[in-house]
Amino acid sequence: SQQGEEDPQALSIQEGENATMNCSYKTSINNLQWYRQNSGRGLVHLILIRSNEREKHSGRLRVTLDTSKKSSSLLITASRAADTASYFCATGITGANSKLTFGKGITLSVRP
Amino acid sequence: DVKVTQSSRYLVKRTGEKVFLECVQDMDHENMFWYRQDPGLGLRLIYFSYDVKMKEKGDIPEGYSVSREKKERFSLILESASTNQTSMYLCASSDAGLGTYEQYFGPGTRLTVT
Repeated sequence: SQQGEEDPQALSIQEGENATMNCSYKTSINNLQWYRQNSGRGLVHLILIRSNEREKHSGRLRVTLDTSKKSSSLLITASRAADTASYFCATGITGANSKLTFGKGITLSVRP
Repeated sequence: DVKVTQSSRYLVKRTGEKVFLECVQDMDHENMFWYRQDPGLGLRLIYFSYDVKMKEKGDIPEGYSVSREKKERFSLILESASTNQTSMYLCASSDAGLGTYEQYFGPGTRLTVT
C-alpha cells in the first residue's frame, strides 16, 4: 500500500515551540500533501510537494521530501494555540484512476 | 475561494432506511470524492467520480452507491443503513489529474444510524 503513515500519533508542545511531524510511505509517488483538520470539521489543504522537489515553504510551514527514504516532514515554526488540530499526509501517484491516499493523522496540541 | 457544501452537518437515521448525502462544489472541478472517517482508521475512500455519470469504487464501496448527474453535485447513497455505517462522511473535489492536485473538502456530515 502507498498509504502514508504519520509519526508521532500525538504531539503536545508549548506555544512558541516548533512542531515536527513525519510521514513515511511505501511506493513511488507523484506528490505528497499535508492537510489540517480542526475538530469536527473538514480537511484543509496546507501544502503540496512534488516528487522532484526537496523542500517547500509556506508561511510558518516547511515541508521536506526525501524520496530515497520515502519520507516527508512537516515543520510548524513558532506554534500557536490555533495550530491545535489533526494533521494528515496524503500521497498521490500518476496514472489512470490515481487518487490520494491519506494516513491516519497526527493530533497536535499546542498549550497556551 | 473553492466552496464544497454538504447537505447536513448532523444526521440521525434508523437501521434499514435509505440515506442520501449530497455534496455540491462551485469550482467546476472534474473530480469528486466521498470518504468516511473513523477514529483510528483515518480517511477511507468510498467512491470517486472523474466526470459526470462516471464513478469508480474506492477502498470500501460495500453498502454504498453514488450518483453524479451534474458536474457540481455528487451524492452518496446508503441503500439500507446499518449501525456500522455510523461515521463522519467527507466530500471533496479537485481539479483534473487525479492524485495530482489538492482536494477541497466540505465540512462533513456526522451520520448516526440507530
